[in-house]
Amino acid sequence: SQTIHQWPATLVQPVGSPLSLECTVEGTSNPNLYWYRQAAGRGLQLLFYSVGIGQISSEVPQNLSASRPQDRQFILSSKKLLLSDSGFYLCAWSETSTGELFFGEGSRLTVL
Amino acid sequence: KNEVEQSPQNLTAQEGEFITINCSYSVGISALHWLQQHPGGGIVSLFMLSSGKKKHGRLIATINIQEKHSSLHITASHPRDSAVYICAVPPNTGNQFYFGTGTSLTVIP
Repeated sequence: SQTIHQWPATLVQPVGSPLSLECTVEGTSNPNLYWYRQAAGRGLQLLFYSVGIGQISSEVPQNLSASRPQDRQFILSSKKLLLSDSGFYLCAWSETSTGELFFGEGSRLTVL
Repeated sequence: KNEVEQSPQNLTAQEGEFITINCSYSVGISALHWLQQHPGGGIVSLFMLSSGKKKHGRLIATINIQEKHSSLHITASHPRDSAVYICAVPPNTGNQFYFGTGTSLTVIP
């Protein structure tokens, strides 16, 4: 069966520090992968999506970046965090053949 | 203009009530997703449907592709149903999803 793992679950980082959130998918191949951010009380904002290894599309200008070094691995990074980067980050994948959509457990980032 | 509109934004119900959440969309799609997010938690997929109706326990989802409208119904609501319910659609073109802003449901015992 397909599963998605996202870590860390909770992160408290000082302004200016780097960030790395990791997401891995099991039980499928060549999924579409997504990073979303959800600010408190707000909807889902698409940050990045990827349709294949090394293929990253960015939806909003920001100091975040994403990479897909392997088919089922998606990483969200930042070299220097800003206060405004605080939020709940969700990794998701969709099955290209069926269109099913699955989310990771989420990572809550607090930048102080 | 949002591609996906949900209503109501907030909903409070007494335990046992029948609940309906609506979703309208403006893009061409092949399927629609209903998602659930409990407070402070991740997002769980409830339904993916492309026509007619689907039922899981006390949850029922319907879709009318011609009218570009879907509804999520909860029968005999329970406090554990308290969550945010989100409608999501993958448009026929592109690889992204459009999301509604969610309906926050609170079921009071």
